[in-house]
Amino acid sequence: ETGVTQSPTHLIKTRGQQVTLRCSSQSGHNTVSWYQQALGQGPQFIFQYYREEENGRGNFPPRFSGLQFPNYSSELNVNALELDDSALYLCASSPREDRGLATEAFFGQGTRLTVV
Amino acid sequence: QKEVEQDPGPLSVPEGAIVSLNCTYSNSAFQYFMWYRQYSRKGPELLMYTYSSGNKEDGRFTAQVDKSSKYISLFIRDSQPSDSATYLCAIGYGNKLVFGAGTILRVKS
Repeated sequence: ETGVTQSPTHLIKTRGQQVTLRCSSQSGHNTVSWYQQALGQGPQFIFQYYREEENGRGNFPPRFSGLQFPNYSSELNVNALELDDSALYLCASSPREDRGLATEAFFGQGTRLTVV
Repeated sequence: QKEVEQDPGPLSVPEGAIVSLNCTYSNSAFQYFMWYRQYSRKGPELLMYTYSSGNKEDGRFTAQVDKSSKYISLFIRDSQPSDSATYLCAIGYGNKLVFGAGTILRVKS
């Protein structure tokens, strides 16, 4: 058990809709990152939040956005869903106070999003 | 060229075998090296973490990093059917992890 929980576990949305995915990190973990994992691929970095501010972003368009809250929870929002957004979305938190450096990260079980 | 290359397998071994999983990377600035295990439809589980060249051992697992060759390995001793999963190497760079595509391992009893 990593102490990182995500909801919902599965979700089906229609192209063009908007979706919000949620994550609850372990208490004391100030860094949360979101990753997208397509079938048969490794996770790809979407963005990271450190102390409620965005602290780096991967090659994802602005319709992917996030929030981090003081209670160690966070959200990933995706607008204008496309078919290629179908993937496993993973939240990861890190216990280190290294200004969000990519040290060991502990993942939740993921949310499987299907866009039809 | 991908930043992190990993043979997707599948790698099939008999129970009790020593398993060797490998990744190569291209960016010498990469700082942290991790191995994750991922069971089907689950999130990745951190197995090993290191930031220096050399070996690190934890139970049946040994992680090896060779920064001069940009090559990392994970060895699993006395492999068990429960080790059957996808193994992902991940390399930390700045504030993100760059993952390999994962190697599927099947341990037959």
